Amino acid sequence: SQELEQSPQSLIVQEGKNLTINCTSSKTLYGLYWYKQKYGEGLIFLMMLQKGGEEKSHEKITAKLDEKKQQSSLHITASQPSHAGIYLCGADPISGNTPLVFGKGTRLSVIA
Amino acid sequence: DVKVTQSSRYLVKRTGEKVFLECVQDMDHENMFWYRQDPGLGLRLIYFSYDVKMKEKGDIPEGYSVSREKKERFSLILESASTNQTSMYLCASIQRGTSLYEQYFGPGTRLTVT
Repeated sequence: SQELEQSPQSLIVQEGKNLTINCTSSKTLYGLYWYKQKYGEGLIFLMMLQKGGEEKSHEKITAKLDEKKQQSSLHITASQPSHAGIYLCGADPISGNTPLVFGKGTRLSVIA
Repeated sequence: DVKVTQSSRYLVKRTGEKVFLECVQDMDHENMFWYRQDPGLGLRLIYFSYDVKMKEKGDIPEGYSVSREKKERFSLILESASTNQTSMYLCASIQRGTSLYEQYFGPGTRLTVT
């Protein structure tokens, strides 16, 4: 079965600094999703990547997909306290409607 | 504004009680899912449903059952709650049949079994 490994597991950054979270798949990626979860709440969809080399941005968050490496990275520029939370990646095991597989999450804290 | 709602944000139950967690979505999605989330274990799929009255086991179905009598509602049932079922439960739904789709999550129910 497919597994997603996220790194780092947790991250503490100073406000204003840039950071990157990685998500590596054990199998071919057909679709990669990024979510954010505020502590104790549900997940909020951030963006989806489908094609190798694809890059998407939402405000100060940019995600890229490297199909060959079976990896996606999430980059936050000039972090703010509002960026704090748990970031999870999810992937389609195969193309279609099978349930998503999730990484274990990266806990981000932003300190002033 | 599309929504997935869950019946309770916080729930405290006693060991042995029967527990119902309700999830309702207003997006006419075919697919609905129940996950539990635990520290260090991430999200794990309990059950999912592709259609009314249809259900499939996920990775950790033991101790749980589900019901989908209507398209918009997917219920998770703990037949006899145990302390190891203390967790955050998340419901989600997805549009089927399109190349681009998003999985929408409910706010979660934090269940404590004492």
